[in-house]
Amino acid sequence: AQTVTQSQPEMSVQEAETVTLSCTYDTSESDYYLFWYKQPPSRQMILVIRQEAYKQQNATENRFSVNFQKAAKSFSLKISDSQLGDAAMYFCAYRSGNTDKLIFGTGTRLQVFP
Amino acid sequence: DADVTQTPRNRITKTGKRIMLECSQTKGHDRMYWYRQDPGLGLRLIYYSFDVKDINKGEISDGYSVSRQAQAKFSLSLESAIPNQTALYFCATKGRGLTDTQYFGPGTRLTVL
Repeated sequence: AQTVTQSQPEMSVQEAETVTLSCTYDTSESDYYLFWYKQPPSRQMILVIRQEAYKQQNATENRFSVNFQKAAKSFSLKISDSQLGDAAMYFCAYRSGNTDKLIFGTGTRLQVFP
Repeated sequence: DADVTQTPRNRITKTGKRIMLECSQTKGHDRMYWYRQDPGLGLRLIYYSFDVKDINKGEISDGYSVSRQAQAKFSLSLESAIPNQTALYFCATKGRGLTDTQYFGPGTRLTVL
């Protein structure tokens, strides 16, 4: 069975600085998708970024980028120029290429200090 | 207007009561999902539905049932609520394509006393 591990329960960063959130996963499949979701205090789950396993190029969305290391089964999220509004829980998630089921990590709470 | 709505947003109930959580979507998606979120455990899948006549159990379906009344509506019921069902419940929707992404509703916070 696939598993997703987020080993950092909490992280903090100063405004305008860069922070990296870690995620590792375990799978024997070659076709899958990886996601980072953000959950602010409003509770809404917001998709931040996604990565297809078959793509070698790391996904980027404005200030958010990933470091996808397929051989190491690592999928970290880098937030550049951190803003106060980035403060939230961040969840890493895995989905097999042939199912709809999302498997979530336990989350990392990010605090942003002015 | 939000694409995925959940009602109620917050609910407090007592042990043994029947309760229904509702989800509606305007995205035109065929696929809908119910998740539960507990502190320190992330989100776990309760039930999912690929269309009105196709409903499937997720990893933690015991104590729950669902109803897909229409393409746009997917309800989650707790027939006899118990305190360890206190959690945050999310509905999500997705298109048919394997590359499509799941979109989440705002969540329902349920407390069972």
